[in-house]
Amino acid sequence: GQQLNQSPQSMFIQEGEDVSMNCTSSSIFNTWLWYKQDPGEGPVLLIALYKAGELTSNGRLTAQFGITRKDSFLNISASIPSDVGIYFCAGYNYGQNFVFGPGTRLSVLP
Amino acid sequence: ETGVTQSPTHLIKTRGQQVTLRCSSQSGHNTVSWYQQALGQGPQFIFQYYREEENGRGNFPPRFSGLQFPNYSSELNVNALELDDSALYLCASSLGQDTGELFFGEGSRLTVL
Repeated sequence: GQQLNQSPQSMFIQEGEDVSMNCTSSSIFNTWLWYKQDPGEGPVLLIALYKAGELTSNGRLTAQFGITRKDSFLNISASIPSDVGIYFCAGYNYGQNFVFGPGTRLSVLP
Repeated sequence: ETGVTQSPTHLIKTRGQQVTLRCSSQSGHNTVSWYQQALGQGPQFIFQYYREEENGRGNFPPRFSGLQFPNYSSELNVNALELDDSALYLCASSLGQDTGELFFGEGSRLTVL
């Protein structure tokens, strides 16, 4: 079945640093989404991307839909302690299921 | 606007028992999907319900079943529980069966002993 890979698996950064993480697939997706999950809670939608090459921002977050439609990346600028959590990418095609990656665990050191 | 709510938040069962988890969709959303999230992994699709009918199913055995009610709320039932069923079960609602956005509840954490 379809699988997504996320890198890095985990990362430790200093508060104020920028963060970059990415998601790759062997299959094409028409929609890419990024979610954040805090401990004990469900994933929260951060950004949705609908067109290849699309670059979308949500506050300090910026995500891009790769030209090949097989990848996406998420950048977080000027990280703060509340950015801590697990970031999941998800791919979606019309009429099919959402496929989630294994997540990138972000830790922010003060 | 009311978000997705799930109950119970935590529960403990023993192997072989049955469990029912409940979900109320976000206001105005008519489609509900269920996901299983094992520790340290991403959510895995179980099935989706649209207009009270199952509309897509992931790689889960028949002992995982569900229902959707006229008010769009939903239940996930798991029979003959196994130890590997221990996980966070997430409900997600969306506006329509083919929309590109899911909105999740906080999940029900099931522990099978």
